[in-house]
Amino acid sequence: TQLLEQSPQFLSIQEGENLTVYCNSSSVFSSLQWYRQEPGEGPVLLVTVVTGGEVKKLKRLTFQFGDARKDSSLHITAAQPGDTGLYLCAVIMNYGGSQGNLIFGKGTKLSVKP
Amino acid sequence: DTGVSQNPRHKITKRGQNVTFRCDPISEHNRLYWYRQTLGQGPEFLTYFQNEAQLEKSRLLSDRFSAERPKGSFSTLEIQRTEQGDSAMYLCASSLIGGPNYGYTFGSGTRLTVV
Repeated sequence: TQLLEQSPQFLSIQEGENLTVYCNSSSVFSSLQWYRQEPGEGPVLLVTVVTGGEVKKLKRLTFQFGDARKDSSLHITAAQPGDTGLYLCAVIMNYGGSQGNLIFGKGTKLSVKP
Repeated sequence: DTGVSQNPRHKITKRGQNVTFRCDPISEHNRLYWYRQTLGQGPEFLTYFQNEAQLEKSRLLSDRFSAERPKGSFSTLEIQRTEQGDSAMYLCASSLIGGPNYGYTFGSGTRLTVV
């Protein structure tokens, strides 16, 4: 079973549209991260959310951590072709009281057409 | 700082051959992680090091896989007797030990194709 479920799996939209992608789990997490990955490259960290109900903004991207810290959403306003990529959510597993490895969802593949 | 560097970027090998990949992390980062990513999937954790100690291994890391980080600097990932199912992108990441606000920096990966 997948620890993190991301939806939708694929999303194809026109430039200027708004969109929301989701990351859900039945487990509670102390923090959650969002990454964007372009073809042939490694993931790049966008944001870390740590507090239930927290909202963070990064230009046209708005990230929210659920009140119960089990889920998160990423909203993009007025999408641009440069937003095209694979959006991954990830959680940090604890090891010996400090941060350990990341566990990723399968990602949402976003395509923004001009 | 040049970030996390992985070599080679691409590797094509015949089934049954051994391959070795190298990762050079950000110099001040004491944690180093290996992930495997197949098409349409998120990265899957393989193993990680704190300095030179290998702290955790995933069940995905079969006995054909071995990773080392001598002297706590660069790391190598070796796959022996490669199989077609090993074809994937192998990603390396590094981080500082700390709380969740200490980001993970990924390299560009090594794309392995087993023919």
